[in-house]
Amino acid sequence: GAGVSQSPRYKVTKRGQDVALRCDPISGHVSLYWYRQALGQGPEFLTYFNYEAQQDKSGLPNDRFSAERPEGSISTLTIQRTEQRDSAMYRCASSLGLLQYFGPGTRLTVT
Amino acid sequence: AQRVTQPEKLLSVFKGAPVELKCNYSYSGSPELFWYVQYSRQRLQLLLRHISRESIKGFTADLNKGETSFHLKKPFAQEEDSAMYYCALSEDSGGYNKLIFGAGTRLAVHP
Repeated sequence: GAGVSQSPRYKVTKRGQDVALRCDPISGHVSLYWYRQALGQGPEFLTYFNYEAQQDKSGLPNDRFSAERPEGSISTLTIQRTEQRDSAMYRCASSLGLLQYFGPGTRLTVT
Repeated sequence: AQRVTQPEKLLSVFKGAPVELKCNYSYSGSPELFWYVQYSRQRLQLLLRHISRESIKGFTADLNKGETSFHLKKPFAQEEDSAMYYCALSEDSGGYNKLIFGAGTRLAVHP
């Protein structure tokens, strides 16, 4: 079947604008994770959903970042009032058990 | 604190040479360790996990708890092995598993 998809693949935005990044997990996958990857670094955990419940948001860097998964499937990561330091690759992963399957990522550039 | 360290940012070898990508970790419990790989223009994908003790694409990795290491090895590198490799530790958070990644090592295999 289809893997994890993310949209948009690339997003360029001006500082101060809001952005919404979308993740469509593998059908039937209960767990959904968001990670952020800065240039030259490995991915870092942002938040975790079990169905529609956001069970861990300990990795969200500040209150400009929020995420939702209202129907337990598609998830949206929203960044308000973007800053240049938010520029990174944002990765989504879904899983049924221990193994996480990653999407292609969204490359966000804040100018 | 849980941490994964990959000391080499770049490893450059010739085709047919042995390869060892280093990974060290710190974790207070019993670790679940993985190697993920990202080929050019592709998504992050699982290469292997320590618990399965299998060989994938000729790569193996042995967990050494005494040295807290999980080095990835291949006896004869191929050009198609050129990619970014990430070592990751799965942190059991009570029903779900955050991945803690190292910064990654770029493997370049030259003809």
